[in-house]
Amino acid sequence: EIVLTQSPGTLSLSPGERATLSCRASQSVGSSYLAWYQQKPGQAPRLLIYGASSRATGIPDRFSGSGSGTDFTLSISRLEPEDFAVYYCQQYGSSPYTFGQGTKLEIK
Amino acid sequence: EVQLLQSGAEVKKPGEFLKISCKGSGYSFPSDWIGWVRQIPGKGLEWMGIVYPGDSDTRYSPSFQGQVTISADKSISTAYLRWNSLKASDTGIYYCARLRGFGGVIVQGYFDYWGQGTLVTVSS
Repeated sequence: EIVLTQSPGTLSLSPGERATLSCRASQSVGSSYLAWYQQKPGQAPRLLIYGASSRATGIPDRFSGSGSGTDFTLSISRLEPEDFAVYYCQQYGSSPYTFGQGTKLEIK
Repeated sequence: EVQLLQSGAEVKKPGEFLKISCKGSGYSFPSDWIGWVRQIPGKGLEWMGIVYPGDSDTRYSPSFQGQVTISADKSISTAYLRWNSLKASDTGIYYCARLRGFGGVIVQGYFDYWGQGTLVTVSS
């Protein structure tokens, strides 16, 4: 089973700043089959990024994904108030398809 | 507009039976895999398994194989998650989600649309 480790656990930033979230896999994720989701309190997760770098429909271009192999990054260029949430990465390259434990992005 | 509407919150006792549902609309329900994801309150997400409503083919995570049953009825565009005998450790929020999947024998994919979640509480 591929274990995904996200860091940091909590990231404290101010609106307008840039956020960089990391997702590291215990073994290579084939063909960059990695997705990122955003979850706000009391809501279901929302797909942001798939294929490591492709934005999902309706996702603002301030969100970008990069990486391959075992190291992946989600970047948010200029934080808006609505971006403060928990972010999860998920690999779908090797069954069982696992999620990271999440990074909480909070307002500083 | 793609929508997945889940059944309401449940409170059950250990050992009881439970079946929760997820009704899809706004797309061709038989043609896309539907998955279930568990979230224990305050914790992360766990991929449970998927079903292809077109032919009821199912795939399970080893962690959930034998613990739950996933099914679908394409005639009413509804997927189900069933427990024959609940345990306290089954307490959590259960999400259904549409899989943008590919592959044949091995189905891979990410979840692009999610239901609102069903809270299941198991307590004596």
